[in-house]
Amino acid sequence: DVKVTQSSRYLVKRTGEKVFLECVQDMDHENMFWYRQDPGLGLRLIYFSYDVKMKEKGDIPEGYSVSREKKERFSLILESASTNQTSMYLCASSLSGGQLSGNTEAFFGQGTRLTVV
Amino acid sequence: DAKTTQPPSMDCAEGRAANLPCNHSTISGNEYVYWYRQIHSQGPQYIIHGLKNNETNEMASLIITEDRKSSTLILPHATLRDTAVYYCIVRAEPSGGYQKVTFGTGTKLQVIP
Repeated sequence: DVKVTQSSRYLVKRTGEKVFLECVQDMDHENMFWYRQDPGLGLRLIYFSYDVKMKEKGDIPEGYSVSREKKERFSLILESASTNQTSMYLCASSLSGGQLSGNTEAFFGQGTRLTVV
Repeated sequence: DAKTTQPPSMDCAEGRAANLPCNHSTISGNEYVYWYRQIHSQGPQYIIHGLKNNETNEMASLIITEDRKSSTLILPHATLRDTAVYYCIVRAEPSGGYQKVTFGTGTKLQVIP
């Protein structure tokens, strides 16, 4: 089974702190994604990465950065956490297109509920 | 990627079929319809996807209209464990490059005993 693991289920940080959210997948997927989920707004894409050291902005990248130094790991960084970044953060991974086996569905982690106080 | 429109919420009696609609009137020829669901406090889970033919797997059936502008996800015998938010997404299958997956707000399905 594909496993996408997020380092924490719950996190409480102070305003202005630098926050790292870690995500690891074990299926050698090329694509990895970070979303945030807020009531009434659904899942919104923050950043995604299609290869090591490659990244693309999603729909709401402001206030965030990402790092993909290894294929299996995709980190989301809040440089200076603010209260409006209190949210559920979800990581996902998927195969790239063009693969002969498997489809390109996205597999999600369990989420990290971050509270910034 | 094409946008989708789903009703915000639906109820279904336990044991009955749940039919969840999705409109994607701007879908283009190379875009697939994907369905995911998210049970409370868990990450989204893939259910099914299709291009133009109807599809069925162990979880659900997907009916896509002939003009591909709308689709329906069918859970044939809904159980309480099917209570979740269901997301309909349309996106192209890339030939070799990357893709992003964008979700809308989904339909909250409540299965009632």
